[in-house]
Amino acid sequence: AQSVTQLGSHVSVSEGALVLLRCNYSSSVPPYLFWYVQYPNQGLQLLLKYTSAATLVKGINGFEAEFKKSETSFHLTKPSAHMSDAAEYFCAVSDSTGGFKTIFGAGTRLFVKA
Amino acid sequence: ETGVTQSPTHLIKTRGQQVTLRCSSQSGHNTVSWYQQALGQGPQFIFQYYREEENGRGNFPPRFSGLQFPNYSSELNVNALELDDSALYLCASSLGDRTYEQYFGPGTRLTVT
Repeated sequence: AQSVTQLGSHVSVSEGALVLLRCNYSSSVPPYLFWYVQYPNQGLQLLLKYTSAATLVKGINGFEAEFKKSETSFHLTKPSAHMSDAAEYFCAVSDSTGGFKTIFGAGTRLFVKA
Repeated sequence: ETGVTQSPTHLIKTRGQQVTLRCSSQSGHNTVSWYQQALGQGPQFIFQYYREEENGRGNFPPRFSGLQFPNYSSELNVNALELDDSALYLCASSLGDRTYEQYFGPGTRLTVT
Protein backbone atom coordinates (compact mmCIF):
# COMPACT_ATOMS: atom_id res chain seq x y z
CA ALA A 1 0.00 0.00 0.00
CA GLN A 2 1.12 3.49 -0.68
CA SER A 3 2.02 5.91 2.07
CA VAL A 4 3.59 9.31 2.47
CA THR A 5 5.58 10.70 5.38
CA GLN A 6 6.30 14.39 5.67
CA LEU A 7 9.09 15.12 8.11
CA GLY A 8 8.30 18.12 10.25
CA SER A 9 4.80 19.41 10.79
CA HIS A 10 6.18 22.96 10.99
CA VAL A 11 9.13 24.56 9.24
CA SER A 12 10.25 28.13 9.82
CA VAL A 13 12.66 30.01 7.54
CA SER A 14 13.73 33.60 7.12
CA GLU A 15 12.75 35.53 4.03
CA GLY A 16 15.40 34.90 1.36
CA ALA A 17 16.55 31.63 2.91
CA LEU A 18 16.40 28.17 1.37
CA VAL A 19 13.14 26.29 1.76
CA LEU A 20 13.42 22.51 2.19
CA LEU A 21 10.32 20.44 2.90
CA ARG A 22 10.91 16.72 3.24
CA CYS A 23 8.76 13.91 1.89
CA ASN A 24 9.33 10.16 1.84
CA TYR A 25 6.99 7.78 0.14
CA SER A 26 6.26 4.08 0.02
CA SER A 27 5.05 2.42 -3.15
CA SER A 28 5.58 -1.05 -4.60
CA VAL A 29 5.43 0.20 -8.18
CA PRO A 30 6.66 3.35 -9.90
CA PRO A 31 4.64 6.15 -8.34
CA TYR A 32 3.30 9.46 -9.35
CA LEU A 33 4.33 12.08 -6.80
CA PHE A 34 2.90 15.50 -6.14
CA TRP A 35 3.33 18.58 -4.05
CA TYR A 36 0.30 20.72 -3.32
CA VAL A 37 0.03 24.04 -1.53
CA GLN A 38 -2.95 25.18 0.49
CA TYR A 39 -3.50 28.73 1.65
CA PRO A 40 -5.83 29.40 4.59
CA ASN A 41 -9.47 28.68 3.81
CA GLN A 42 -8.69 27.62 0.28
CA GLY A 43 -8.50 24.41 -1.73
CA LEU A 44 -5.39 22.65 -3.01
CA GLN A 45 -3.16 24.06 -5.72
CA LEU A 46 -0.76 21.78 -7.56
CA LEU A 47 2.83 22.99 -7.27
CA LEU A 48 4.48 20.23 -9.27
CA LYS A 49 4.25 16.55 -10.13
CA TYR A 50 6.56 13.66 -11.00
CA THR A 51 5.24 11.22 -13.59
CA SER A 52 8.35 9.15 -14.45
CA ALA A 53 9.97 11.64 -16.77
CA ALA A 54 12.82 13.84 -15.54
CA THR A 55 13.75 13.22 -11.92
CA LEU A 56 14.17 16.94 -11.23
CA VAL A 57 10.78 18.55 -11.52
CA LYS A 58 10.23 22.27 -11.72
CA GLY A 59 6.98 23.74 -10.59
CA ILE A 60 5.28 27.05 -10.12
CA ASN A 61 6.48 29.93 -7.95
CA GLY A 62 10.13 28.84 -8.14
CA PHE A 63 9.65 25.48 -6.41
CA GLU A 64 11.29 22.28 -7.53
CA ALA A 65 11.55 18.70 -6.28
CA GLU A 66 13.86 15.81 -7.01
CA PHE A 67 12.69 12.21 -7.22
CA LYS A 68 15.25 9.89 -5.61
CA LYS A 69 14.20 6.29 -5.97
CA SER A 70 17.08 4.92 -3.87
CA GLU A 71 16.01 7.14 -0.96
CA THR A 72 12.27 6.94 -1.71
CA SER A 73 12.21 10.69 -1.32
CA PHE A 74 10.65 13.63 -3.10
CA HIS A 75 11.80 16.70 -1.18
CA LEU A 76 10.53 20.15 -2.14
CA THR A 77 12.95 23.08 -2.36
CA LYS A 78 12.98 26.75 -3.21
CA PRO A 79 16.23 28.73 -3.23
CA SER A 80 14.83 31.90 -1.68
CA ALA A 81 11.72 32.08 0.49
CA HIS A 82 9.20 34.84 0.05
CA MET A 83 6.62 35.95 2.57
CA SER A 84 3.89 34.81 0.20
CA ASP A 85 5.19 31.22 0.45
CA ALA A 86 3.77 30.89 3.97
CA ALA A 87 1.17 28.15 3.65
CA GLU A 88 0.50 24.45 4.23
CA TYR A 89 2.28 22.05 1.87
CA PHE A 90 1.18 18.51 1.15
CA CYS A 91 3.14 15.73 -0.47
CA ALA A 92 1.05 13.03 -2.17
CA VAL A 93 1.52 9.71 -3.97
CA SER A 94 -0.59 7.85 -6.48
CA ASP A 95 0.01 4.55 -8.25
CA SER A 96 -1.73 1.80 -10.15
CA THR A 97 -1.96 -0.60 -7.17
CA GLY A 98 -4.24 1.82 -5.39
CA GLY A 99 -6.40 2.41 -8.42
CA PHE A 100 -4.64 5.71 -8.80
CA LYS A 101 -6.28 7.15 -5.70
CA THR A 102 -4.13 9.86 -4.21
CA ILE A 103 -2.67 9.45 -0.72
CA PHE A 104 -1.64 12.62 1.05
CA GLY A 105 0.84 13.26 3.79
CA ALA A 106 -0.14 15.06 6.97
CA GLY A 107 1.23 18.34 5.71
CA THR A 108 3.99 20.77 6.64
CA ARG A 109 3.17 24.31 7.60
CA LEU A 110 5.78 26.75 6.32
CA PHE A 111 6.38 29.96 8.26
CA VAL A 112 8.43 32.74 6.67
CA LYS A 113 9.98 35.33 8.97
CA ALA A 114 10.74 38.84 7.83
CA GLU B 1 -12.53 25.74 -20.01
CA THR B 2 -14.16 25.98 -16.61
CA GLY B 3 -12.54 24.83 -13.40
CA VAL B 4 -13.90 22.62 -10.67
CA THR B 5 -16.61 24.24 -8.58
CA GLN B 6 -18.22 23.14 -5.33
CA SER B 7 -21.31 24.21 -3.48
CA PRO B 8 -22.09 25.35 -0.93
CA THR B 9 -18.97 27.06 0.37
CA HIS B 10 -19.92 26.63 3.98
CA LEU B 11 -22.55 24.55 5.73
CA ILE B 12 -23.62 24.05 9.32
CA LYS B 13 -25.57 20.95 10.28
CA THR B 14 -26.70 19.28 13.46
CA ARG B 15 -25.59 15.83 14.57
CA GLY B 16 -27.86 13.14 13.10
CA GLN B 17 -28.86 15.18 10.06
CA GLN B 18 -28.08 14.39 6.46
CA VAL B 19 -26.09 16.59 4.05
CA THR B 20 -25.49 16.75 0.30
CA LEU B 21 -22.44 18.43 -1.15
CA ARG B 22 -22.11 19.16 -4.85
CA CYS B 23 -19.24 19.28 -7.29
CA SER B 24 -19.11 20.35 -10.90
CA SER B 25 -16.17 18.78 -12.73
CA GLN B 26 -13.85 20.44 -15.17
CA SER B 27 -15.21 20.27 -18.67
CA GLY B 28 -14.67 16.83 -20.26
CA HIS B 29 -13.52 15.12 -17.07
CA ASN B 30 -15.31 11.83 -16.42
CA THR B 31 -13.71 10.92 -13.09
CA VAL B 32 -14.36 12.59 -9.77
CA SER B 33 -12.71 11.88 -6.44
CA TRP B 34 -13.86 13.11 -3.04
CA TYR B 35 -11.62 13.82 -0.07
CA GLN B 36 -12.21 14.74 3.55
CA GLN B 37 -9.73 17.10 5.18
CA ALA B 38 -10.11 17.40 8.93
CA LEU B 39 -8.58 20.41 10.61
CA GLY B 40 -4.80 20.16 10.74
CA GLN B 41 -4.65 17.01 8.63
CA GLY B 42 -4.04 16.02 5.05
CA PRO B 43 -6.93 15.11 2.77
CA GLN B 44 -8.24 11.56 3.12
CA PHE B 45 -9.60 9.72 0.09
CA ILE B 46 -13.31 8.95 0.43
CA PHE B 47 -14.19 7.46 -2.95
CA GLN B 48 -13.90 7.90 -6.68
CA TYR B 49 -16.53 7.78 -9.42
CA TYR B 50 -15.85 6.97 -13.04
CA ARG B 51 -18.61 7.13 -15.62
CA GLU B 52 -21.28 7.18 -12.92
CA GLU B 53 -20.03 4.13 -11.02
CA GLU B 54 -18.01 3.93 -7.83
CA ASN B 55 -14.43 3.07 -8.74
CA GLY B 56 -12.61 2.77 -5.45
CA ARG B 57 -13.31 3.65 -1.84
CA GLY B 58 -11.26 4.63 1.17
CA ASN B 59 -11.86 3.74 4.81
CA PHE B 60 -15.17 5.51 5.19
CA PRO B 61 -18.44 3.96 6.41
CA PRO B 62 -21.42 3.36 4.12
CA ARG B 63 -23.18 6.46 5.40
CA PHE B 64 -20.84 8.29 3.04
CA SER B 65 -22.25 7.78 -0.43
CA GLY B 66 -22.01 9.46 -3.76
CA LEU B 67 -23.54 9.96 -7.15
CA GLN B 68 -22.11 11.01 -10.48
CA PHE B 69 -24.42 12.28 -13.18
CA PRO B 70 -24.20 12.01 -16.99
CA ASN B 71 -23.01 15.60 -17.18
CA TYR B 72 -20.20 14.54 -14.77
CA SER B 73 -21.40 16.67 -11.92
CA SER B 74 -21.43 14.75 -8.66
CA GLU B 75 -22.74 14.66 -5.12
CA LEU B 76 -21.39 13.51 -1.81
CA ASN B 77 -24.07 12.48 0.66
CA VAL B 78 -23.45 11.92 4.33
CA ASN B 79 -26.16 10.44 6.53
CA ALA B 80 -26.44 10.46 10.31
CA LEU B 81 -23.88 13.21 10.71
CA GLU B 82 -21.39 12.94 13.55
CA LEU B 83 -19.30 15.68 15.13
CA ASP B 84 -16.16 14.14 13.60
CA ASP B 85 -17.60 14.70 10.14
CA SER B 86 -16.74 18.38 10.54
CA ALA B 87 -14.13 18.99 7.86
CA LEU B 88 -13.31 20.55 4.51
CA TYR B 89 -14.65 18.33 1.73
CA LEU B 90 -12.74 18.52 -1.52
CA CYS B 91 -13.62 17.12 -4.90
CA ALA B 92 -11.18 16.64 -7.74
CA SER B 93 -11.87 15.85 -11.36
CA SER B 94 -9.71 14.04 -13.89
CA LEU B 95 -9.93 12.26 -17.20
CA GLY B 96 -10.17 8.48 -16.87
CA ASP B 97 -7.51 7.08 -14.54
CA ARG B 98 -5.20 10.01 -15.13
CA THR B 99 -5.44 11.20 -11.56
CA TYR B 100 -1.94 12.58 -11.93
CA GLU B 101 -3.77 15.36 -13.72
CA GLN B 102 -6.59 15.98 -11.31
CA TYR B 103 -7.89 19.40 -10.49
CA PHE B 104 -9.29 20.29 -7.10
CA GLY B 105 -12.24 22.45 -6.28
CA PRO B 106 -12.12 25.06 -3.49
CA GLY B 107 -13.94 22.78 -1.05
CA THR B 108 -17.02 22.86 1.15
CA ARG B 109 -16.48 23.56 4.83
CA LEU B 110 -18.93 21.42 6.84
CA THR B 111 -19.46 22.09 10.52
CA VAL B 112 -21.49 19.62 12.57
CA THR B 113 -22.77 20.87 15.91
